[in-house]
Amino acid sequence: EVRLVESGGGLVQPGGSLRLSCAASGFTVSGNFMTWVRRAPGKGLEWVSTIYSGGARHYVDSVKGRFTISRDNYKNTVYLQMNSMRAEDTAVYHCARGVDTPVGLSVDYWGQGTLVTVSS
Amino acid sequence: QTVVTQEPSLTVSPGGTVTLTCVSSTGAVTSGYYPNWFQQKPGQAPRALIYSTDRIYSWTPARFSGSLLGGKAALTLSGVQPEDEAEYYCLLYFGGVQPWVFGGGTKLTVL
Repeated sequence: EVRLVESGGGLVQPGGSLRLSCAASGFTVSGNFMTWVRRAPGKGLEWVSTIYSGGARHYVDSVKGRFTISRDNYKNTVYLQMNSMRAEDTAVYHCARGVDTPVGLSVDYWGQGTLVTVSS
Repeated sequence: QTVVTQEPSLTVSPGGTVTLTCVSSTGAVTSGYYPNWFQQKPGQAPRALIYSTDRIYSWTPARFSGSLLGGKAALTLSGVQPEDEAEYYCLLYFGGVQPWVFGGGTKLTVL
């Protein structure tokens, strides 16, 4: 059974750092692309970052230079290191699995999310 | 900056049919954008419904279908049920250094 469990959220001051974890089971993170998506209060879903099976990483402009996505293949876990955090980073962060299927790209399984609040 | 636009809200009667659309600021949406559709209810994680325009998952209810309509990605619900009241998001793939963009979401009310 595919399962994604996020952790690491919490309250952090502006300018601070936090590392989110996404523990995967039922598949290997290295064999898929893994994505972080957030939803800020009163807003819609926003794509944040993706790490591909080959190791390439992409970020939305608003987090470039501040956030880093990585994975630990032995722990089958994906991370999102968030530095220089801002109030506008406040959101529920979800990780999701992506699959490069024979007919196209699929984002199929999602974790329940972890709440990040940036406030003094 | 690429913008993906959805209807902010739609209302449908139980048993009715409704189509939600997904428009790209870059032009016509094609199958190469691999449109994905998600449903999200309050307090829950998003649930995948459709991928690659019209492909369903094993858990996708039969009343949900995806397509391309007039240069837009579309999600059609036929025989709407009260439990379909939720927010729906499309996700398009543009490639490049910012490959994925979500639509702003459609709040579907079943009334």
